[in-house]
Amino acid sequence: DTEVTQTPKHLVMGMTNKKSLKCEQHMGHRAMYWYKQKAKKPPELMFVYSYEKLSINESVPSRFSPECPNSSLLNLHLHALQPEDSALYLCASSQDPGPGGQPQHFGDGTRLSIL
Amino acid sequence: SQQGEEDPQALSIQEGENATMNCSYKTSINNLQWYRQNSGRGLVHLILIRSNEREKHSGRLRVTLDTSKKSSSLLITASRAADTASYFCATATQGGSEKLVFGKGTKLTVNP
Repeated sequence: DTEVTQTPKHLVMGMTNKKSLKCEQHMGHRAMYWYKQKAKKPPELMFVYSYEKLSINESVPSRFSPECPNSSLLNLHLHALQPEDSALYLCASSQDPGPGGQPQHFGDGTRLSIL
Repeated sequence: SQQGEEDPQALSIQEGENATMNCSYKTSINNLQWYRQNSGRGLVHLILIRSNEREKHSGRLRVTLDTSKKSSSLLITASRAADTASYFCATATQGGSEKLVFGKGTKLTVNP
């Protein structure tokens, strides 16, 4: 069991759909992350939230829109995705933001398929 | 951009044998971390070694860091079938943010 919970586990959507991925942690961590992982590749950082504010956007297309409603929740809103956006989307959290690179706790991801 | 490069890309061993994976990186780091990912699951943090440390142990895991060569190795002793997974190194750049940059990973298969 992971301490970072992601829902849904699987999502199939058309290119015109709007959907959201959700991530929740109750460890009191103040940094939260979204990663994209393609098969047999390492995770690629998309966004970082520090103290509920967006601190890093790795030049992600605007069809991905992150949101951090509170310190425990992280959402990723999806709209007009492309087939190449099919991937495993991982959420992670770490205790404190800021320089240093703290250990990150990952959820099991949402497997996203775009038709 | 990928900071860490692991080798080998894939490693297949028998249960009970030791497995060694290597990671090279390019810039000065604050720390280096190793993660494990089982098929279809998220990553699990294994061990963190700081730039001023040379060796660290955790159970059957031994990590070394050579900052002069910008390289690290992960040794898993007495491997078990349950160690079958992908292993990634990740670096935190010195003076940088909370961002981690992951290497390409080593796929380890431990045969029973």
